[in-house]
Amino acid sequence: EIVLTQSPGTLSLSPGERATLSCRASQSITSSDLAWYQQKPGQAPRLLMYGASSRATGIPDRFSGSGSGTDFTLTISRLEPEDFAMYYCQQYSSSSWTFGQGTKVEIK
Amino acid sequence: QVQLVQSGAEVKKPGASVTVSCKTSGYTFTHYFIHWVRQAPGQGLEWMGIINPSGGGTSYAQKFQGRVTMTRDMSTRTVYMELSSLRSEDTAIFYCARDVTTVTTAGGYWGQGTLVTVSS
Repeated sequence: EIVLTQSPGTLSLSPGERATLSCRASQSITSSDLAWYQQKPGQAPRLLMYGASSRATGIPDRFSGSGSGTDFTLTISRLEPEDFAMYYCQQYSSSSWTFGQGTKVEIK
Repeated sequence: QVQLVQSGAEVKKPGASVTVSCKTSGYTFTHYFIHWVRQAPGQGLEWMGIINPSGGGTSYAQKFQGRVTMTRDMSTRTVYMELSSLRSEDTAIFYCARDVTTVTTAGGYWGQGTLVTVSS
């Protein structure tokens, strides 16, 4: 099973700052099978990126994704108040999903 | 528009079974796989399995093998997830999620979640 490790566990930043979230896979994965989600308390996860770098419908362009092989990154160029939330990466392989443990982006 | 509407909260005793439903609308039911994901209180997301509404084929996470059953009813466009032999550690919110496209396996649409509480 592929394990996804996200870092940091918590990111403390101010609105307007840049956020860089990392997701590292225990073995190489296909970029097309890497996604990022945002989750706020009491809500279902929301798809942000799929295929590592494609924004889902309605996602603002301050969100971007990159990476390949085992290292992937989600970048939020300028944090808006609504961006403070939990973020998960997810990969698909062998007919199953696995998620990273999450990165919390909190207000500094 | 695409909608996934789940059944309401449940309270179950240890050893019992629970069935959560996920009623879909707004798209061709047989064209998109449905996943089930669990989230324990304050914890992360855990994939439970997948069902192909077209043929009913399923694949379950090894952790849940033998305890989970996913089925679908094509007449009502509803997918079901049954979890048996419940224990307190199964207390969680259960989500159904639909693939974002027919060729991209990422959860583009999610149900609102169903809280299952296991308590004696």
